[in-house]
Amino acid sequence: GAVVSQHPSWVICKSGTSVKIECRSLDFQATTMFWYRQFPKQSLMLMATSNEGSKATYEQGVEKDKFLINHASLTLSTLTVTSAHPEDSSFYICSATRGQNQPQHFGDGTRLSIL
Amino acid sequence: AQSVTQPDIHITVSEGASLELRCNYSYGATPYLFWYVQSPGQGLQLLLKYFSGDTLVQGIKGFEAEFKRSQSSFNLRKPSVHWSDAAEYFCAVRGKAAGNKLTFGGGTRVLVKP
Repeated sequence: GAVVSQHPSWVICKSGTSVKIECRSLDFQATTMFWYRQFPKQSLMLMATSNEGSKATYEQGVEKDKFLINHASLTLSTLTVTSAHPEDSSFYICSATRGQNQPQHFGDGTRLSIL
Repeated sequence: AQSVTQPDIHITVSEGASLELRCNYSYGATPYLFWYVQSPGQGLQLLLKYFSGDTLVQGIKGFEAEFKRSQSSFNLRKPSVHWSDAAEYFCAVRGKAAGNKLTFGGGTRVLVKP
């Protein structure tokens, strides 16, 4: 199998705080991980691509300083939403892939609610 | 640039009836093609993928999809739907030179009537 675990599944926090979301590949080494944002009843929007040991590549319009991505090992990537505000509330999903020609396997997502 | 269109936003089907979800893509060559399913509040599960070879691809949960190059389509089918098939379905493409980046269609929400 190819299991991707995302934690936490749901987080509620106050405006101005920072929130960290973890994405782990449990039974394989992920050369690349991806972070997506999904608004209600919409498709997934790619935020950034993360390769182990290197800086993440952000999509156009995504603020690097707002959404900090770290990919310190082949099984873990983190997304930190810094100084979160209500407009950052969304469903965030990560995915991981073994290699260049392999499909992406998705975590169960994190619902972030900023009060 | 690659793009994916899922023309149907919602589809309602009776349990036991057949289901077909449409997907059209735009890309300069033959891309890699995927179908994913998403249950409410959860991540995406891969149903099937097409990389090359036989254009009729079998997936999990009784789903299949057919790649038609002439129509730039990759439609998903299931002969007999179950109530548990109610979910959101996403078609996605990946260019062979685009790293592993996926482009998703807008999704089709499937409702199953008893």
